[in-house]
Amino acid sequence: QQQVKQSPQSLIVQKGGISIINCAYENTAFDYFPWYQQFPGKGPALLIAIRPDVSEKKEGRFTISFNKSAKQFSLHIMDSQPGDSATYFCAASKNSNYQLIWGAGTKLIIKP
Amino acid sequence: DAGVIQSPRHEVTEMGQEVTLRCKPISGHDYLFWYRQTMMRGLELLIYFNNNVPIDDSGMPEDRFSAKMPNASFSTLKIQPSEPRDSAVYFCASSLSYRGGTDTQYFGPGTRLTVL
Repeated sequence: QQQVKQSPQSLIVQKGGISIINCAYENTAFDYFPWYQQFPGKGPALLIAIRPDVSEKKEGRFTISFNKSAKQFSLHIMDSQPGDSATYFCAASKNSNYQLIWGAGTKLIIKP
Repeated sequence: DAGVIQSPRHEVTEMGQEVTLRCKPISGHDYLFWYRQTMMRGLELLIYFNNNVPIDDSGMPEDRFSAKMPNASFSTLKIQPSEPRDSAVYFCASSLSYRGGTDTQYFGPGTRLTVL
């Protein structure tokens, strides 16, 4: 019940296309859902995060869509660029617990 | 702010040797996390501290692993004795408790450990 399942494991998208990465969780107590971006040789860095009081959050070309009833959330990258090529991790946590439960990661490659 | 600082950035050692990884969190942050990342197992939380006190070390793989946080600006992760299967990238991250809840974790650049 503590798991966060992330898919796909890898994704190749043409430049200008939409990249979509999905995550699902079981624990209904989770109330914080961040996405982290990791470039080779670097540590993960927060990209965007959402709390369950909203169904969507947009920051530039990056959007989180959240479906509370389905216990799913997804990251959409619009107009994908080669510079977006990285590994993306979803995560979840409970407000009372500072530990993030991490997805397995998605390696995204944007082809020019 | 310089961000989370880790040292060394790369460590190559032989099986059986002691390895010490170091971390300086962002000033003022009250949470510190140690992670291990491998291709096979992804990102694993090893242990985390709040105000220098270990809160959850259930992710520490074996007694060969130990972590300390003697003060708010320094933490170590020690492996003794090291084994080839410990080869991984070890990350330190810190965060600031936010209105009693979770907030952004800021990761360091990592230490790439190779045990021969």
